[in-house]
Amino acid sequence: GDSVTQMEGPVTLSEEAFLTINCTYTATGYPSLFWYVQYPGEGLQLLLKATKADDKGSNKGFEATYRKETTSFHLEKGSVQVSDSAVYFCALDSGYSTLTFGKGTMLLVSP
Amino acid sequence: GAGVSQSPSNKVTEKGKDVELRCDPISGHTALYWYRQRLGQGLEFLIYFQGNSAPDKSGLPSDRFSAERTGESVSTLTIQRTQQEDSAVYLCASSLGDRGHEQYFGPGTRLTVT
Repeated sequence: GDSVTQMEGPVTLSEEAFLTINCTYTATGYPSLFWYVQYPGEGLQLLLKATKADDKGSNKGFEATYRKETTSFHLEKGSVQVSDSAVYFCALDSGYSTLTFGKGTMLLVSP
Repeated sequence: GAGVSQSPSNKVTEKGKDVELRCDPISGHTALYWYRQRLGQGLEFLIYFQGNSAPDKSGLPSDRFSAERTGESVSTLTIQRTQQEDSAVYLCASSLGDRGHEQYFGPGTRLTVT
């Protein structure tokens, strides 16, 4: 079945550091890929998505590229801020109507 | 407009009691999803409603779990005879349709079974 694997957290960075959160997936066919973010005390929000191979999703300075050859969708940001502290979830939609989520990676950014 | 709302935000119950969790989706969203998020785990799909179609119940972990939805509005997730392993955050999401449409999540209900 479908599955998503993310790097375990927490990831602890200083402000302005470079961020990478790894995500790999297993799915049949050609899934759509997503990153969701959950800020403290809030619900999950869609951060970015990519629907086909080599697509790059981007939002709020975050980027992720759909790599079919490596079945990956790593999240990157060049310079993190304290306000980016949150839990980040990688997810896929392989067409069965529901999303398959990774376990989430907590990011903690200190000033 | 208003987002997805859930109530209660927190629920503490004794083992063996029944609980009801409520979700109000975004108006006009035909699809509604329930997920469970255990501590340190990803989101587990529970059940999916799409319009007037029969719900997809394939994610419900046992027959103690059930859910209803009235038309394209409110949904209630019921857990009967709660067990400690039911302790989790229960998340509801809604979307305009199914595949390819963004799911909008509520803030969740944190259930603690003592």
